[in-house]
Amino acid sequence: DSGVTQTPKHLITATGQRVTLRCSPRSGDLSVYWYQQSLDQGLQFLIQYYNGEERAKGNILERFSAQQFPDLHSELNLSSLELGDSALYFCASSVRDRDNSPLHFGNGTRLTVT
Amino acid sequence: DQQVKQNSPSLSVQEGRISILNCDYTNSMFDYFLWYKKYPAEGPTFLISISSIKDKNEDGRFTVFLNKSAKHLSLHIVPSQPGDSAVYFCAASDWAVWGGADGLTFGKGTHLIIQP
Repeated sequence: DSGVTQTPKHLITATGQRVTLRCSPRSGDLSVYWYQQSLDQGLQFLIQYYNGEERAKGNILERFSAQQFPDLHSELNLSSLELGDSALYFCASSVRDRDNSPLHFGNGTRLTVT
Repeated sequence: DQQVKQNSPSLSVQEGRISILNCDYTNSMFDYFLWYKKYPAEGPTFLISISSIKDKNEDGRFTVFLNKSAKHLSLHIVPSQPGDSAVYFCAASDWAVWGGADGLTFGKGTHLIIQP
């Protein structure tokens, strides 16, 4: 158990809809990272927050947004969903801000867009 | 453009033998490299890492080798055990030296199968 909790585990929704994925980092971790893993793809970095502030942005679509709350949990919002958004979405946390301490991953949310 | 490449989607090794997983990278700014292991229905878990100032790091049965001139790293598992069957991801960052602004960059993974 990594200590990172992601909910829900599975999500099935229709095109055009909006969903919210939730992540609770490991106790004491201040950084939260979001990754997307599509079929046959590696983990694609989306966005990182550190202590409530956005710190790094990867290949995140404009239809996607995220935030980290004062209690350090994070939410990833996906809107105007398309079939191609179907993927595994992982959240990871670490103690500090990109200092090469290992990232601890949750078990992911599997999103299916129909 | 993939900056971290794992060219073998799968690898089958007999139990007790050495498993060698390879990873190539193209970004010369990468200064820290990690290997993660992933079982089905779980998130990746950290295995071992190496800084660009080293060429080898060892942790029990796991050793990572870095060849900066070739932009190549490898993970050796000796001896291989059935529980090592998993997908292995190579990852890289440019944080330590360059203070890069991206997240960890991952390869697509290699599925290691340990045969009894």
